[in-house]
Formats: sequence, C-alpha cells, structure tokens
Amino acid sequence: EDKVVQSPLSLVVHEGDTVTLNCSYEVTNFRSLLWYKQEKKAPTFLFMLTSSGIEKKSGRLSSILDKKELFSILNITATQTGDSAVYLCAVQGAQKLVFGQGTRLTINP
Amino acid sequence: NAGVTQTPKFQVLKTGQSMTLQCAQDMNHNSMYWYRQDPGMGLRLIYYSASEGTTDKGEVPNGYNVSRLNKREFSLRLESAAPSQTSVYFCATITGAALTYGYTFGSGTRLTVV
Repeated sequence: EDKVVQSPLSLVVHEGDTVTLNCSYEVTNFRSLLWYKQEKKAPTFLFMLTSSGIEKKSGRLSSILDKKELFSILNITATQTGDSAVYLCAVQGAQKLVFGQGTRLTINP
Repeated sequence: NAGVTQTPKFQVLKTGQSMTLQCAQDMNHNSMYWYRQDPGMGLRLIYYSASEGTTDKGEVPNGYNVSRLNKREFSLRLESAAPSQTSVYFCATITGAALTYGYTFGSGTRLTVV
C-alpha cells in the first residue's frame, strides 16, 4: 500500500531559527514529490521534485529529493511568524497523489 | 482559489441526510479529485476522475458516490451522512499534460454531521 510519512508531526521554534521537515515515501510508479503549505484554507503549492539531488529554492525555502533512499527534506531558513502553517508532503504515483499527515510548524516571535 | 470553485463552503447535516458537494474548474484540466482532511490525517483521496466519463475509487470511498458531469464539473454525493463523515472536503484538479505546477485546490467545504 502506498504511504507517505512526515516527521516531525509538530515543531515549535523561535523566529530566526532554521527548520528541516522530513518526508519519506513508499509509492509505486513514482512520478514526483510535492510540497504544500496549508494555512487556514486550501493547500498552496511550494515545490515539485522529480529528480534526485537537484535542490529547488524559493526565497528562504528549499527542498531536495533522494530517490534512492525515498525521502525528501524541506528547509526553511531565518523563519518568520508568517511561516507558521501545516506543511504537507505528497507523492504522485501513476494515477493518484498520496499525502502525508503533515507537519504543523509554529514560529514564536 | 482561482480556477476551482467548491460549493457550499459550510454545511451541517443530520445523520441520515443526503447532500451533494459541487466542484467546478475553469482550467480545462482532465483530472479531478476529491479529498477529505481530518485532523492529524493529512488529505485522503476519496474518488478521482482521470478524464471526462471515468471515475475511480481512492483510499476512502465508502459512503460516497461521484459524478463527472462534464469536463468542468465533478460532484461528490453523500447518500446517508454519518458523523464519521464530518471533515473538510477539498476538490483538486491537475492537467495530465504538465505536472509542473502541482495541483490546484478549491477552498474546501467544511461538513459537520450531527
């Protein structure tokens, strides 16, 4: 059965800290891994990763995929209170997108 | 969210009542999906439609039916609502031709079954 596991489930840090969120997966017919940020409503797209070892960056956020070890990490540097959200990892198989449980990140001022 | 419209945004049902959640997209995408999100569970796939005229079960299809009415619309029906179906429901769409930008989600329907 396809599964995506995220860790930690919850993380509380101070503004300015750097955080690393983890995502491991077992999905047949892997096509891509996606990261989403969810605040109050629908998830918003952050990154899509398809190739191992190539880092994707957007401002203070970056992510990398290891297809051999079947995991991905999402890094956020110099965190701000606006980064507080649930971060979702999802893996696209042949037909379906399978989500992890999410990591609830809280940034305290 | 731009491109995917869900109605209603909120709904309270009594156990045993039926209702249909509506989803419409104006992005001309082939694939549409219904997810439910419960606290601590992430999003779980209920049903999906890879193209107009086709539907398939996802991870948690029991208690639901779907209709892909046309390319734009994909509805989710609860025939006899149960408290276990209290959840936030998201519709999503993606084009099969280009996965570069990930999925587009609707703003969600918060359903409470009492």
